Amino acid sequence: AQSVTQLGSHVSVSEGALVLLRCNYSSSVPPYLFWYVQYPNQGLQLLLKYTSAATLVKGINGFEAEFKKSETSFHLTKPSAHMSDAAEYFCAVSQPGGFQKLVFGTGTRLLVSP
Amino acid sequence: NAGVTQTPKFQVLKTGQSMTLQCAQDMNHEYMSWYRQDPGMGLRLIHYSVGAGITDQGEVPNGYNVSRSTTEDFPLRLLSAAPSQTSVYFCASSYKGFPLSYEQYFGPGTRLTVT
Repeated sequence: AQSVTQLGSHVSVSEGALVLLRCNYSSSVPPYLFWYVQYPNQGLQLLLKYTSAATLVKGINGFEAEFKKSETSFHLTKPSAHMSDAAEYFCAVSQPGGFQKLVFGTGTRLLVSP
Repeated sequence: NAGVTQTPKFQVLKTGQSMTLQCAQDMNHEYMSWYRQDPGMGLRLIHYSVGAGITDQGEVPNGYNVSRSTTEDFPLRLLSAAPSQTSVYFCASSYKGFPLSYEQYFGPGTRLTVT
């Protein structure tokens, strides 16, 4: 079975500071990994995905994530936080092929202070 | 394109009532799915469909029915609502086949309260 662990239900940063949101996964087969963002009262939007190509993945809004197989991690980073980055972020895992049954982590709420 | 649309946005039901949450997409996506979002639990897959006439169960299917008579629509039915079904429900869709199937498009959600 696959699972995702997101460390920290809330992360607070100052505007301009580094953003680091942690995600560790468990999977019996090589996984595909995703980060989604949810703004208040909205649906989820795909930030970036790892599908077994480059291990460093760049996404929208300046975010990137690095797949580290040895650490079973897929942490999300952004060099400089902006107020508009305040949202909830979900890491998800799926297996290659066919319909993507996403297994989500419990989410991390990012708070950005001026 | 309107993308993925869901109706209603909000709904309050009494225990035992039934209702249908509507989901439609105008992107000609083959894959569609329903998730529920609960505090501290992330999103969990309820049911999904890989094409018209084909549905299957996800992680938490009990108490819910689905059908897919057209490519565009994927309604979720609550047969006899229970307080445990209080949640936010999201519909999602994606293209079939690599690599487009890996980007799921989510609707804005339906917030359901069962009293």
